[in-house]
Amino acid sequence: GAVVSQHPSRVICKSGTSVKIECRSLDFQATTMFWYRQFPKQSLMLMATSNEGSKATYEQGVEKDKFLINHASLTLSTLTVTSAHPEDSSFYICSAREKQGSGTQYFGPGTRLLVL
Amino acid sequence: AQSVTQLDSHVSVSEGTPVLLRCNYSSSYSPSLFWYVQHPNKGLQLLLKYTSAATLVKGINGFEAEFKKSETSFHLTKPSAHMSDAAEYFCVVSPLGTYKYIFGTGTRLKVLA
Repeated sequence: GAVVSQHPSRVICKSGTSVKIECRSLDFQATTMFWYRQFPKQSLMLMATSNEGSKATYEQGVEKDKFLINHASLTLSTLTVTSAHPEDSSFYICSAREKQGSGTQYFGPGTRLLVL
Repeated sequence: AQSVTQLDSHVSVSEGTPVLLRCNYSSSYSPSLFWYVQHPNKGLQLLLKYTSAATLVKGINGFEAEFKKSETSFHLTKPSAHMSDAAEYFCVVSPLGTYKYIFGTGTRLKVLA
């Protein structure tokens, strides 16, 4: 149980385009989902916390207009990188916390974004 | 402020020998503590978690960790390393009353044949 999927697993796009990444909890309802960014050989950096039906809470230094987050249902959250630039290239990982459960987060497999 | 420190960025062990990955935390109250493993280009897998129950926590794949409040430590151990254990390991603290995670900087475990 507690499986989280992400789609796509890998995406290459041109500079200036927008990219949408989906995060789904497959076998549980997720009240809260989290979006992280991971640079090569570094730890995870929390970008934003997404609660179903409400606006996401962004961490300091993360541009909310650039990284649009939508959490329309208890099993789906999306991250859209708008007007992507090469510096947005990174590994993006989502996680989900069960609606009825402890604070444990279950992580998706990640999405590798490369902006040319 | 809450924080977590992983004392070693790299650890190398021979296959079949014990593994020790060190983690210290700072927290005003008893936090929840987790260890996750990440294989290359993969997401994170939960190894084990401490949530104020038993201080010795057993996880998957033979790993365990002991919560020591007096030392503010939560070190990860395994009696005998396997080649498949080679990966990046993250110690995580989640402060009481929040669901946010604070990640350590990670320890890369290398297992030598």
